[in-house]
Amino acid sequence: NAGVTQTPKFQVLKTGQSMTLQCAQDMNHEYMSWYRQDPGMGLRLIHYSVGAGITDQGEVPNGYNVSRSTTEDFPLRLLSAAPSQTSVYFCASSYLRGLRTGANVLTFGAGSRLTVL
Amino acid sequence: SQQGEEDPQALSIQEGENATMNCSYKTSINNLQWYRQNSGRGLVHLILIRSNEREKHSGRLRVTLDTSKKSSSLLITASRAADTASYFCATDGGSNYKLTFGKGTLLTVNP
Repeated sequence: NAGVTQTPKFQVLKTGQSMTLQCAQDMNHEYMSWYRQDPGMGLRLIHYSVGAGITDQGEVPNGYNVSRSTTEDFPLRLLSAAPSQTSVYFCASSYLRGLRTGANVLTFGAGSRLTVL
Repeated sequence: SQQGEEDPQALSIQEGENATMNCSYKTSINNLQWYRQNSGRGLVHLILIRSNEREKHSGRLRVTLDTSKKSSSLLITASRAADTASYFCATDGGSNYKLTFGKGTLLTVNP
C-alpha cells in the first residue's frame, strides 16, 4: 500500500502564479484534509472533506480551493500564490467510521514544500 | 488558534534516559492523540487516549490525561537515538473533523 501520496515534493512559484498540490490515498478513506506547517506555528487545518462532493473550511482557508470528485483524490489549489503561502503542506486521511466512534486517527503524506517568491 | 500547546519546546537527553513532554489544551475534548514527526517527513500517529481514560501504555510510551487540568503528558522510557523527532499533541475540541495540533516538542536523543 502506498498510503497517502503527495506531489510535488518541492515547488517554487512566483507571486501571482497558480498551482495545484495533489493528494491521493489508496486506503479507501472517506475523510481527507490539508494542513500547512509553519515554523513556530505547528499545523493548521486549511480544508477538509468527508466524502466525494463534500468539502468544508478549516482554520486558514483563505487563498486555497479544494474539490473532491473521487474518494481517492483531494487536490489543493492556490489560485494566486502569495509569499505568505510559503509553507510545508500535508495531506492527511482517515476512516469516517473512526470518527463515528469518536477518534479521527490521521494518516499523513510526506509533505509538499512550497516556496513563493 | 492552537488548541494544544506542548512543553517544553525542545528537550535534549542522553540515550537510555526517559523523556517527558507535556500538552495543555483549552476546551473540552473527546480524545487526545500524540504524533511523531521525523525531520522532513509526515506525522505518524503514536497513541490515542480518550477523555474517560487516565493512562495508556504502548510499548515504551506512556500517556496520561488529566481532564480537570486540561493537560496530557507523553513519557518515552529508555530513549534511543531513533526517538529523535518532533512530538505533537492533537485534540478534537469542538469537532472531530477539525483536529488541532500544538506547536510540538523537539526531542533530541544523544547517543
